[in-house]
Amino acid sequence: AQTVTQSQPEMSVQEAETVTLSCTYDTSESDYYLFWYKQPPSRQMILVIRQEAYKQQNATENRFSVNFQKAAKSFSLKISDSQLGDAAMYFCAYETNAGNNRKLIWGLGTSLAVNP
Amino acid sequence: KAGVTQTPRYLIKTRGQQVTLSCSPISGHRSVSWYQQTPGQGLQFLFEYFSETQRNKGNFPGRFSGRQFSNSRSEMNVSTLELGDSALYLCASSFAPGTGEETQYFGPGTRLLVL
Repeated sequence: AQTVTQSQPEMSVQEAETVTLSCTYDTSESDYYLFWYKQPPSRQMILVIRQEAYKQQNATENRFSVNFQKAAKSFSLKISDSQLGDAAMYFCAYETNAGNNRKLIWGLGTSLAVNP
Repeated sequence: KAGVTQTPRYLIKTRGQQVTLSCSPISGHRSVSWYQQTPGQGLQFLFEYFSETQRNKGNFPGRFSGRQFSNSRSEMNVSTLELGDSALYLCASSFAPGTGEETQYFGPGTRLLVL
């Protein structure tokens, strides 16, 4: 079974600085998707970034980028120029691309604080 | 384009009662998934529906059930509520499976408190 591990329960960053959140996963599949979602205090789950496993190029979305290391099963999120609005819980998630077994498998999250 | 909507946003029930939660997907999305979020267990997959059929089910007891209507709206039902069912229930919608555009977009959630 697939698992997702986020080893940093809490992190903090100074406004305008860069922070990297770690995520590792375990799977025997070769085709899958990886996601980072953000959950602010409102509890709304917001998609930050998505990576297809077959793509070697790391995904980027404005200030957010990932470092996807397929062989190492690592999927870290880098937030550049951190803003106060980035403060939230960040979840790493894995989704299989196999038939009818589609579901998101989640890490336990990293709580990110942004200090002014 | 309107996002995923969930109703109600908050619910308070007592043990033994049943509850029905509703989810309306983003227009054009035909797949709906449900997740339970608790402080102790984190986020756990409940089930996924597509074309009014349950495609996948998580490891939850039979008290948890769901359905999907022809307009892709979905409901989940929890019968004989237990204290441990207190949670945030999140609904997510996406395009049809196998399209390569299967990113799940989430609603604001329904917060259920069982007393």
